[in-house]
Amino acid sequence: KAGVTQTPRYLIKTRGQQVTLSCSPISGHRSVSWYQQTPGQGLQFLFEYFSETQRNKGNFPGRFSGRQFSNSRSEMNVSTLELGDSALYLCASSILQGNNEQYFGPGTRLTVT
Amino acid sequence: KNEVEQSPQNLTAQEGEFITINCSYSVGISALHWLQQHPGGGIVSLFMLSSGKKKHGRLIATINIQEKHSSLHITASHPRDSAVYICAVVAGNQFYFGTGTSLTVIP
Repeated sequence: KAGVTQTPRYLIKTRGQQVTLSCSPISGHRSVSWYQQTPGQGLQFLFEYFSETQRNKGNFPGRFSGRQFSNSRSEMNVSTLELGDSALYLCASSILQGNNEQYFGPGTRLTVT
Repeated sequence: KNEVEQSPQNLTAQEGEFITINCSYSVGISALHWLQQHPGGGIVSLFMLSSGKKKHGRLIATINIQEKHSSLHITASHPRDSAVYICAVVAGNQFYFGTGTSLTVIP
C-alpha cells in the first residue's frame, strides 16, 4: 500500500497570502489529522477530519481551516499568512476516527517571508 | 503549562547501551503514543498504549496509568536509533505532545 502523501513538500509564501496544502491518506483510511511543528512550540494538533466532517479541533485561530473530500483526501488552508506560520505541516491518517494508530506523511515545509 | 513532559531532552549513548526515555502527563488520557522522528521530518508511530507493556523488536514501551507515566526503552542501542522520540497523549479527543527527546547513539 502506498503511504500518506503530502503536496507540495516545500512552499514559500509572503505575509498576507493564503496557502492550501494537500494530504492523501493511505487507501482505506477515513480519518485525516493535521499537525503543525515548529522549533519553538513543537508538535501541535490542528484538527481531525473523518467522513468529510471536522471531528476535533486544536487551539488555532480561524485562519486555519480544512476540509475532507469523499475519497478521504484532505486539504488544509491558512489565510492571511503570518511569519509565525512558518512550520512543518504534517498530516496523518488512520483507519477510524479518534484514538487509533496514526500513519504520518512526510510533511510540507512552509516558509513565510 | 505542558500537559506532557519528557525527560531527558537530549541523550547521547554508546552503541549497545540500554536507553530509557520517560514521559509524564497531567491529564486523563485514553491512550499514549510513542513516535520517532528522523532528521528531515518523517514521523513513524512506534507504539500506542492504553495499559501495560508492548514490545517491538528492541523497543519496549510501558505505561502506568495510576502514576501517569510511561517509559520507552531501547535495548542494545544502534546508531540507526538516533532520532527524536516524542510522547503524545490522547485526552478529550485531542493529541498533546511532549517536546521530544533527541537521542544520538555513537558507534
